[in-house]
Amino acid sequence: RKEVEQDPGPFNVPEGATVAFNCTYSNSASQSFFWYRQDCRKEPKLLMSVYSSGNEDGRFTAQLNRASQYISLLIRDSKLSDSATYLCVVNSGGGFKTIFGAGTRLFVKA
Amino acid sequence: DADVTQTPRNRITKTGKRIMLECSQTKGHDRMYWYRQDPGLGLRLIYYSFDVKDINKGEISDGYSVSRQAQAKFSLSLESAIPNQTALYFCATSDSNRGHPGELFFGEGSRLTVL
Repeated sequence: RKEVEQDPGPFNVPEGATVAFNCTYSNSASQSFFWYRQDCRKEPKLLMSVYSSGNEDGRFTAQLNRASQYISLLIRDSKLSDSATYLCVVNSGGGFKTIFGAGTRLFVKA
Repeated sequence: DADVTQTPRNRITKTGKRIMLECSQTKGHDRMYWYRQDPGLGLRLIYYSFDVKDINKGEISDGYSVSRQAQAKFSLSLESAIPNQTALYFCATSDSNRGHPGELFFGEGSRLTVL
């Protein structure tokens, strides 16, 4: 079983749609959680951290359920520019214990 | 200019050749990492360094070596490249004194093809 699992997609959605990505992790000692965005052939970039209380940044909402070891990312009012791969990232202490999911691809179409 | 710079950006080489990928950063971060990315597998850690005198193996270090020449420079070497080392390689940095553990800043990547 992979330490961090994501639905690879692709998710194909029209502009304006709401789309949700899910991620599960296996290490119950995990401490920090993130969503990164990666455009095609580019480097991953931090999109947002994920907190137990849930957090929102504009059209993006991230939630963490420690009991179920589950992380989610919700994108509202999708834009063409949201097309990318979204990486779920889990850290269990120190940068070297950072595990990346394989990513979920999103295509937003006009 | 990018804060984390990798060279070369693209390289095609032959089996058995020695290859070096270089990474330099202007972020002033103490920690540096080398990852490789393969389709469907996500990013996997090759080596990491918490300071100039600290080098550690990651998940997939076999066939690779590294050198931390200075706080700002971290190079990855393939002593004798083989085709299954064809991948996209990323250098990353983090700051142990600020931000969340696991908050990484990546270079633009080096695409290596071994024929």
